[in-house]
Amino acid sequence: NAGVTQTPKFQVLKTGQSMTLQCAQDMNHNSMYWYRQDPGMGLRLIYYSASEGTTDKGEVPNGYNVSRLNKREFSLRLESAAPSQTSVYFCASLGQPPINYGYTFGSGTRLTVV
Amino acid sequence: SQQGEEDPQALSIQEGENATMNCSYKTSINNLQWYRQNSGRGLVHLILIRSNEREKHSGRLRVTLDTSKKSSSLLITASRAADTASYFCATGPYTGTASKLTFGTGTRLQVTL
Repeated sequence: NAGVTQTPKFQVLKTGQSMTLQCAQDMNHNSMYWYRQDPGMGLRLIYYSASEGTTDKGEVPNGYNVSRLNKREFSLRLESAAPSQTSVYFCASLGQPPINYGYTFGSGTRLTVV
Repeated sequence: SQQGEEDPQALSIQEGENATMNCSYKTSINNLQWYRQNSGRGLVHLILIRSNEREKHSGRLRVTLDTSKKSSSLLITASRAADTASYFCATGPYTGTASKLTFGTGTRLQVTL
């Protein structure tokens, strides 16, 4: 099925551990995004990639890095996880022209840092 | 910081009733979008309204936009139990080839039988 696929769906990390969240889309979309969702705070943008080969910081980039591996894949890396990074992470993509369409979201990764 | 804030934070209605939720935002926008999120799932795009539009319909959804008041409303008519979800507004500035959406905090809608 066409869409955005995120892996893993659940993850528990110890403080200081590292991990990479994977995201892939098969809709030939140019733009991809990583958001985190915390209770009562809506979604906040971590990083985004307007096109293959470019990445930019969003509202809350500290503690994260990203890689736009190719047009399909956009990964999010936590180098040294902290309890404050416990959250649900969503990847999204956007096709062209963006003015006519909304984001397509993945189903999310629920991350707990203990 | 959040661009949009939804009101009310929570809404409980009976099946068949209409549900209205509001969104206020702070800065100029190119478009405003509404998304639905079922519990434990990703967000699903419902409808987009451009800044030069005042009203838009899609099935049982009606969205209005008042740029002078920096506000929008989402009306769901003849609600069903399946409409139970959280609803988020998101504003888009559309710069260049990327459109960074800023989301509100959401309205939790509960539709009971």
